[in-house]
Amino acid sequence: AQSVTQPDIHITVSEGASLELRCNYSYGATPYLFWYVQSPGQGLQLLLKYFSGDTLVQGIKGFEAEFKRSQSSFNLRKPSVHWSDAAEYFCAVAFISGGSYIPTFGRGTSLIVHP
Amino acid sequence: EAEVAQSPRYKITEKSQAVAFWCDPISGHATLYWYRQILGQGPELLVQFQDESVVDDSQLPKDRFSAERLKGVDSTLKIQPAELGDSAMYLCASSPRVGRTYEQYFGPGTRLTVT
Repeated sequence: AQSVTQPDIHITVSEGASLELRCNYSYGATPYLFWYVQSPGQGLQLLLKYFSGDTLVQGIKGFEAEFKRSQSSFNLRKPSVHWSDAAEYFCAVAFISGGSYIPTFGRGTSLIVHP
Repeated sequence: EAEVAQSPRYKITEKSQAVAFWCDPISGHATLYWYRQILGQGPELLVQFQDESVVDDSQLPKDRFSAERLKGVDSTLKIQPAELGDSAMYLCASSPRVGRTYEQYFGPGTRLTVT
């Protein structure tokens, strides 16, 4: 069965500092990989995704992520964090079944931004 | 911009009572997902529809939960009877039929409290 691990429950950074959120997955093949962001009391918004090709992908809001097959990782990065980035971040993997994507989410990492 | 609609936004119910949630996906979206998100955890897929057909419901507690999408448009998730452990956020998401079929658009969720 596929699984997603986000080892950091909370991450605290200062505004303007760089950010890296970790994500590791377990799956028999290269899955489809996603990062979502969730503000308090809201639904999730897709930040970026990886299917194939260039292992460094760019997303919205200045985020990027790098797929490393050898480490089964898909870490999210941002060079300079803004106070508005404080939110919950979820890594997700998906496999194809019957023409549909079946997703599995990690437990999330809460990002706290200090002024 | 089109959005996924969910109602109610908040629901308080007593254990052993029945409760129902409604979701209206973005017009034309073929795939509809129901998730349960317990506080501090990532979303857990309960059921996935492709049009009116169930694609995956392996994590749906079928003794008390049911979901339907009769005309392949809006959907209802029901719990009967509710238990204390059902307190959670219930999220609905939808994906397009063509093009970016992997992108999930989330609604704001329904916060359920069982007392």
